[in-house]
Amino acid sequence: QAVVTQEPSLTVSPGGTVTLTCGSSTGAVTSGHYPYWIQQKPGQAPRTVIYDTSDKHSWTPARFSGSLLGGKAALTLSGAQPEDEAEYYCLLSYGAARVFGGGTKVTVL
Amino acid sequence: EVHFLESGGTLAQPGGSLRLSCAASGFTLSGNGMSWVRQAPGKGLELVSNSVSSGGTYYADSVKGRFTISRDNSKNTLYLQMSSLRADDTAVYYCTGHGGASQWGQGTLVTVSS
Repeated sequence: QAVVTQEPSLTVSPGGTVTLTCGSSTGAVTSGHYPYWIQQKPGQAPRTVIYDTSDKHSWTPARFSGSLLGGKAALTLSGAQPEDEAEYYCLLSYGAARVFGGGTKVTVL
Repeated sequence: EVHFLESGGTLAQPGGSLRLSCAASGFTLSGNGMSWVRQAPGKGLELVSNSVSSGGTYYADSVKGRFTISRDNSKNTLYLQMSSLRADDTAVYYCTGHGGASQWGQGTLVTVSS
């Protein structure tokens, strides 16, 4: 089974920009992996903020954007807000299989 | 608006069986991909089982041969039949759709303990 890798933790200043990345042990991440980014705050259910590389749900703030960057999937948070502090999980598809990364804890400080 | 409501979680004995349900509203399960995801206490998200729109299914190695994903399109409900339960199956179980239907339910807690 493929392994999906993420930074364990990142810190961003309020109003600042941070980029989270998501790599695959099988090689470059492409749009064919349909990358998702899922936000989870303590004590809450997960919530998808980005799907299919860069698509947003109606509830996804404009400051979140998804892309492919240097062979990885990337989630960029521009203009971080205190309420963006959360764990962010990447999810990649490998045919019928889907694999989560270990998550990135984003601290807004 | 798409909503998923999981149910069926409870305290179960090791070796026992349980069936989880995920009722969908504002969304038609038929022809759409769906997943069961679990989260053990203090741990990350783990894909348990996947049912893709073409009809294919996938199971994590940890549950293969013990869990079965299915759906009843007439009830617009997804199921996860769990058997030979083990202590490490203890987790909150979520269902979620794919793509534009990738909302999440609130989850249902399964505790496996004697």
